[in-house]
Amino acid sequence: AQTVTQSQPEMSVQEAETVTLSCTYDTSESDYYLFWYKQPPSRQMILVIRQEAYKQQNATENRFSVNFQKAAKSFSLKISDSQLGDAAMYFCAYLSGNTPLVFGKGTRLSVIA
Amino acid sequence: NAGVTQTPKFQVLKTGQSMTLQCAQDMNHEYMSWYRQDPGMGLRLIHYSVGAGITDQGEVPNGYNVSRSTTEDFPLRLLSAAPSQTSVYFCASRQDGGKYNEQFFGPGTRLTVL
Repeated sequence: AQTVTQSQPEMSVQEAETVTLSCTYDTSESDYYLFWYKQPPSRQMILVIRQEAYKQQNATENRFSVNFQKAAKSFSLKISDSQLGDAAMYFCAYLSGNTPLVFGKGTRLSVIA
Repeated sequence: NAGVTQTPKFQVLKTGQSMTLQCAQDMNHEYMSWYRQDPGMGLRLIHYSVGAGITDQGEVPNGYNVSRSTTEDFPLRLLSAAPSQTSVYFCASRQDGGKYNEQFFGPGTRLTVL
C-alpha cells in the first residue's frame, strides 16, 4: 500500500521568511498525483498545490512552490514571504488511479510576527 | 453548486447510541470517501465508494457502515458508538479523470462520544 510520510510534526517561521515542509512517499506506480492541503483553524481542507508525476516541471502557485524529486520520492512544499494567514496544518497527499487519496500525518506551521 | 455538504456539524453521543452522519454532493462525482481526523494521525480512510451501489473498506472501517444508493449521497452509520470514535469526520468527493483528480471536502463533523 502507498504511504505518505511527513517527518516534521511542527514547524515555525518568521513572518516574511521562507519555510519548507517535507514529504516523502512510497509507491511502485509511475503515474500518480501529489497534493498539499492546508487546514486552518476553521477545519476546512483547502487545496494549496498539486503535481502530476509525469510532469518534470515543479508546480508553483503564487508564494507556494514544490520541489518534486520523483526518483527520491520526495515532494516538499516551499512557502515564500510567509504571512500570518499561512499558519495552519499542512497535509501532503498521494493519489494514483482509482484509489483513495492517502494522507500524511500533517505538519503544524506557526508563523511568528 | 453547494459542493460537499455534511450534517450535523457537531454531535455528542453516549456510548452505545447509534447515529448517521450525512454527506451529499451536487457535482455528480462518482467517487466519495469518509475520513476521520485524530490529533497526530492525519486523515485516515474509513470507507469509500466508486459509484452508486459500490462501497469498499478503508484503513479503519470497524464500527462504521456505509451505503451508496444514489450518486449524490453517502451516509456514514455508527451502529453502537464508542469513545474511540470521538473524532472529526470528513466526507470528500471527486470525479475520476476530472481536472487533476481534485478532491473536494465537506466542512467536517465533530463527534464526541461520552
